[in-house]
Amino acid sequence: DAGVIQSPRHEVTEMGQEVTLRCKPISGHNSLFWYRQTMMRGLELLIYFNNNVPIDDSGMPEDRFSAKMPNASFSTLKIQPSEPRDSAVYFCASSQEDSHYGYTFGSGTRLTVV
Amino acid sequence: SQKIEQNSEALNIQEGKTATLTCNYTNYSPAYLQWYRQDPGRGPVFLLLIRENEKEKRKERLKVTFDTTLKQSLFHITASQPADSATYLCALGGQSGGYNKLIFGAGTRLAVHP
Repeated sequence: DAGVIQSPRHEVTEMGQEVTLRCKPISGHNSLFWYRQTMMRGLELLIYFNNNVPIDDSGMPEDRFSAKMPNASFSTLKIQPSEPRDSAVYFCASSQEDSHYGYTFGSGTRLTVV
Repeated sequence: SQKIEQNSEALNIQEGKTATLTCNYTNYSPAYLQWYRQDPGRGPVFLLLIRENEKEKRKERLKVTFDTTLKQSLFHITASQPADSATYLCALGGQSGGYNKLIFGAGTRLAVHP
């Protein structure tokens, strides 16, 4: 198993541009999470999907952020328009059912908004 | 609000010694607690889970304790090696919003010196 696959690994964009981050979870995992990590705030949960349905999006900062999971093998996190304060490492993680089994994280996307 | 505290300062120890990392929490009654390892430029990797009714859990050179009265977990690495150098995150899990939600601490960086 290749694990959770995220793309791109690095993204540098100008303020105001649209950014789309992609994630392929582990096959058979029905829970998917998007996290954001910064030095100041650590790992923050942005959104949680179960069986492709958004269950908890209370961590999504504002309307500029949106996430979709059109099928069990693909999810996207979109920021439009991007702002410098969105600069962070964004992680996707998947797990079986829920967090009792531990999460498997991807390698993350380092986003820099200039 | 829920708060998780891990030593913000790096822990420096000599190879062969036991490393002990602390995770304290307030305003929360987690059903279980997990520990993760994170290397630079990588996503966190799940290590161990311990439930609220378990006092201690072991896995190879790793030992985790969970004291729900003190609201504290200790993470031990015995016979530490330079390869154990990484950031270690604790995460508390429990029912929130209808699902088992995981909240991460900021992590403690461990440096094992030869």
